[in-house]
Amino acid sequence: AQSVTQLDSHVSVSEGTPVLLRCNYSSSYSPSLFWYVQHPNKGLQLLLKYTSAATLVKGINGFEAEFKKSETSFHLTKPSAHMSDAAEYFCVVSDPFRKLQFGAGTQVVVTP
Amino acid sequence: KAGVTQTPRYLIKTRGQQVTLSCSPISGHRSVSWYQQTPGQGLQFLFEYFSETQRNKGNFPGRFSGRQFSNSRSEMNVSTLELGDSALYLCASSSRRSEDYGYTFGSGTRLTVV
Repeated sequence: AQSVTQLDSHVSVSEGTPVLLRCNYSSSYSPSLFWYVQHPNKGLQLLLKYTSAATLVKGINGFEAEFKKSETSFHLTKPSAHMSDAAEYFCVVSDPFRKLQFGAGTQVVVTP
Repeated sequence: KAGVTQTPRYLIKTRGQQVTLSCSPISGHRSVSWYQQTPGQGLQFLFEYFSETQRNKGNFPGRFSGRQFSNSRSEMNVSTLELGDSALYLCASSSRRSEDYGYTFGSGTRLTVV
């Protein structure tokens, strides 16, 4: 069995300050992990993925995430938030049968 | 390359009717999966198809069904619609090559049941 917990339902940051979105996972398997972003009335866009290669994963738009097996975490960070980063972010784990389990999502608000 | 295309973008249906949603995956992707997104339940897995065969199924009633054609395009059908079926339905395509592993989502079909 596997599950994903996003520790914050809402995060508010000022433009230009760092962003941290926290995600813990539970998996009986060696997991594949993803972060997706969803802008209002849009589909999901892949930010980055971890598939058992390097533990520090760099994604699009300046985002990166670090896989920490000992802490079962896969937190997403960005050094400097931009107004266009306002969206909902989903942490996702995939099982070996290619079924995705989504976290509940973190709504990010960026203030000027 | 072209992304995942879902049609239609919006649908309004009446309770009891049935609906068919369509998904065209990225060229070369043979795996297509469907997800339902609602404010209350979040994103939930419906089913996955690969080479015209259903490989996985989520915990949804039998009113939800799907199929995949030889060109990898997929359709999802919901019969006897209920108000609770109102949701954003997202389709994702994937390459099963491990080096390309990842899921590309379409923009979704917004279904409203009245």
